[in-house]
Amino acid sequence: QVQLVQSGAEVKKPGASVKVSCKASGYTFSSYGIAWVRQAPGQGLEWMAWISAYNGHTSFAQKFQGRVAMTTDTSTSTAYMELRSLRSDDTAVYYCARDPRRSVGPGHFDYWGQGTLVTVSS
Amino acid sequence: EIVLTQSPATLSLSPGDRATLSCRASQSVGYYLAWYQQKPGQAPRLLFYDSSNRATDIPARFSGSGSGTDFTLTISSLEPEDFAVYYCQQRSNWPPPITFGQGTRLEIK
Repeated sequence: QVQLVQSGAEVKKPGASVKVSCKASGYTFSSYGIAWVRQAPGQGLEWMAWISAYNGHTSFAQKFQGRVAMTTDTSTSTAYMELRSLRSDDTAVYYCARDPRRSVGPGHFDYWGQGTLVTVSS
Repeated sequence: EIVLTQSPATLSLSPGDRATLSCRASQSVGYYLAWYQQKPGQAPRLLFYDSSNRATDIPARFSGSGSGTDFTLTISSLEPEDFAVYYCQQRSNWPPPITFGQGTRLEIK
């Protein structure tokens, strides 16, 4: 069965960076895209970025452009998202999600990781 | 940016009732609208994509419809496990390519 397993919770200080991993199993990793979506406490869903595990093509929400970096490692079926220059309002649960659109840009998200809580606090 | 407006913000119904949730886009998104269900402490779950295509293992009591700017998620007869928050999401060629609605909370009356 399809599974996305994310790395554990993180506590970071303002100005630091965080890197979240998302290990996929149960499907051909390179045939899909991976999206990153976050959810601040008590708030709705916010799309951040997307990467094709097929060709490395990326797409970003403007507010995260330049602050988010994504990579994929097809040898381990793992996607990574690094968020830099953390602020207190970056405190949120970060989700990775599989996207059936593998190369032309984000579409919809059919399987989700369990989420990674990132807390930014001095 | 395409803004998705969901209504109502909160819907209070009883098990067995019919639920109708609305999602309106600020400009046409064609059929490119998805719906998700999220329960407390859980990741979202895809219900429908491309307006009316049911995702894997989604019960038949759920249906999705609409095109252009107006979309509807209908639950024909509510089960206790259906009480959750529901989000719509669009994709487009305009930046940003993905936006979510603010959510509709479906609560037990």
